[in-house]
Amino acid sequence: DAGVIQSPRHEVTEMGQEVTLRCKPISGHNSLFWYRQTMMRGLELLIYFNNNVPIDDSGMPEDRFSAKMPNASFSTLKIQPSEPRDSAVYFCASSLFQGGLGTQYFGPGTRLLVL
Amino acid sequence: DAKTTQPNSMESNEEEPVHLPCNHSTISGTDYIHWYRQLPSQGPEYVIHGLTSNVNNRMASLAIAEDRKSSTLILHRATLRDAAVYYCILREPETGNTPLVFGKGTRLSVIA
Repeated sequence: DAGVIQSPRHEVTEMGQEVTLRCKPISGHNSLFWYRQTMMRGLELLIYFNNNVPIDDSGMPEDRFSAKMPNASFSTLKIQPSEPRDSAVYFCASSLFQGGLGTQYFGPGTRLLVL
Repeated sequence: DAKTTQPNSMESNEEEPVHLPCNHSTISGTDYIHWYRQLPSQGPEYVIHGLTSNVNNRMASLAIAEDRKSSTLILHRATLRDAAVYYCILREPETGNTPLVFGKGTRLSVIA
């Protein structure tokens, strides 16, 4: 398996522009997570889905952030409009939950820089 | 979630064993102890987990104190590729579909 795939790997944009990050989870996995990592705050959850349904989006900073999972193979995280403080590495992770502990598999991340 | 405490950083010589400690004095009786690590410029990856007994896999060993208030991740022979941030995370059973809660972790440096 190719693992969790994220695109783009790097994104540089100007303040006010729309940014869309994409994630393809591991085939067959039924949970998907979006995390953000900054030097100040470390790794923190933004939102997660179980069976394509958003469960908890309390980590989404504000209305500028939105996430969708239209099917089991694809998810997007959108920032509109982007701001310099959104600069961070965004990770997508997936897991297969069949009861139990569900190891999470992380993608390589998207490094976002908002100028 | 029960809290874990780890040293901010540790250093090891290559080919030497490394013992990474984690304190979790408020652990509940059913919490599992997980370890993930994050190599430079990569996403975190699973290392090992355990409940009460010591555990071994191809990456590492996990030694759990008898009272479960602490645990130690053991890398038997550190290599340069083991330089990473190591996170100790407690997980309740049946929570595989919930997020991981990351602390600051321990940054391991390996010296050639």
